[in-house]
Amino acid sequence: ILNVEQSPQSLHVQEGDSTNFTCSFPSSNFYALHWYRWETAKSPEALFVMTLNGDEKKKGRISATLNTKEGYSYLYIKGSQPEDSATYLCAFYPPIGYSTLTFGKGTMLLVSP
Amino acid sequence: DARVTQTPRHKVTEMGQEVTMRCQPILGHNTVFWYRQTMMQGLELLAYFRNRAPLDDSGMPKDRFSAEMPDATLATLKIQPSEPRDSAVYFCASGLATTDTQYFGPGTRLTVL
Repeated sequence: ILNVEQSPQSLHVQEGDSTNFTCSFPSSNFYALHWYRWETAKSPEALFVMTLNGDEKKKGRISATLNTKEGYSYLYIKGSQPEDSATYLCAFYPPIGYSTLTFGKGTMLLVSP
Repeated sequence: DARVTQTPRHKVTEMGQEVTMRCQPILGHNTVFWYRQTMMQGLELLAYFRNRAPLDDSGMPKDRFSAEMPDATLATLKIQPSEPRDSAVYFCASGLATTDTQYFGPGTRLTVL
């Protein structure tokens, strides 16, 4: 069983604040890391697919970085808005044959107006 | 607008009954995943298929759960016999490859009394 940790578990910020979360994963046998956004009562939606050490991806106010050597990825949200309130999940993909993909438990973000 | 569909959306059944959940992946996607959302485990991978062949079902209780893909447009997850601890939301997702973006269905909310 792979250990994929996300921190913090939950976060409450005010509208306009910038925030960031961490996903930690095994640094050996890395293949890919995904970030998903999961709104309450909906299905997870993909944000980013990251495969290379040093990768930086951006979508609007949300961006992510990847460090495969030390086994972490950061997700940043600049100027949080209430509609950013959701649980943010990371999913770690080892090479096929080593183990199966594993989701972290997520960071629950609440943005207050 | 291609999307993953799941049926039924809600299912209430009694302990010991057989439950079958169905998923229609996005046309052209050759990878299908089954997940279970629980309070304790978050999003838990049960099984996944590539080109209809099971690649990994190690997350699934083998004695009561089974997953199949009778054809490329249908994936099924069956529980027999069901138990109250199986109560959860079951998600299906599909993608172009095992490490590519996954597109999630709306989920089946199962309640076993």
